[in-house]
Amino acid sequence: LAKTTQPISMDSYEGQEVNITCSHNNIATNDYITWYQQFPSQGPRFIIQGYKTKVTNEVASLFIPADRKSSTLSLPRVSLSDTAVYYCLVAQQGDNYGQNFVFGPGTRLSVLP
Amino acid sequence: DTAVSQTPKYLVTQMGNDKSIKCEQNLGHDTMYWYKQDSKKFLKIMFSYNNKELIINETVPNRFSPKSPDKAHLNLHINSLELGDSAVYFCASSQVGGELFFGEGSRLTVL
Repeated sequence: LAKTTQPISMDSYEGQEVNITCSHNNIATNDYITWYQQFPSQGPRFIIQGYKTKVTNEVASLFIPADRKSSTLSLPRVSLSDTAVYYCLVAQQGDNYGQNFVFGPGTRLSVLP
Repeated sequence: DTAVSQTPKYLVTQMGNDKSIKCEQNLGHDTMYWYKQDSKKFLKIMFSYNNKELIINETVPNRFSPKSPDKAHLNLHINSLELGDSAVYFCASSQVGGELFFGEGSRLTVL
């Protein structure tokens, strides 16, 4: 399993862009990179998934360099409600039953007013 | 409608008791899971079921017994509760290989 490493915590101010980087040096050819967000007292929620280059949705952007050994989750203009823990996962698509959905400690983002 | 619902949300009990947590998903997913999140916020998979069949059983004491009466339900029964079982237990579901949809969690406190 590809192990991921993320900063334990980050602070930001409202309106700023936040970039959280995840390292996954042992990522396999078939692995996808997925980010989840967890608010206090709630279950994690899928944010975005990508394989290479850039993916953007209404919530975030995901930047993946050519070597795919890292990825960066970008949150534009954060608000107080973006305060949460963000998890980076690396797992294969397709025929698996969750054994590769390994959550690390995540990055605790605190957005300050 | 809640996609993945689990009950109860809070559970306080004494050591040695037996308790159950129920989970239901209305997303039509084939795979359901139980995760445990401890006080350090690490989220670890415990069980994975696909179409009512056990797929993954991580290193979990056999006091924990999942039961899936149908593919929309996955219940967790815990026997002889111990202090170390105190945690938040999350149910989740997905299509095979797809994104996980989590419930809101069940906070178990063992006194």
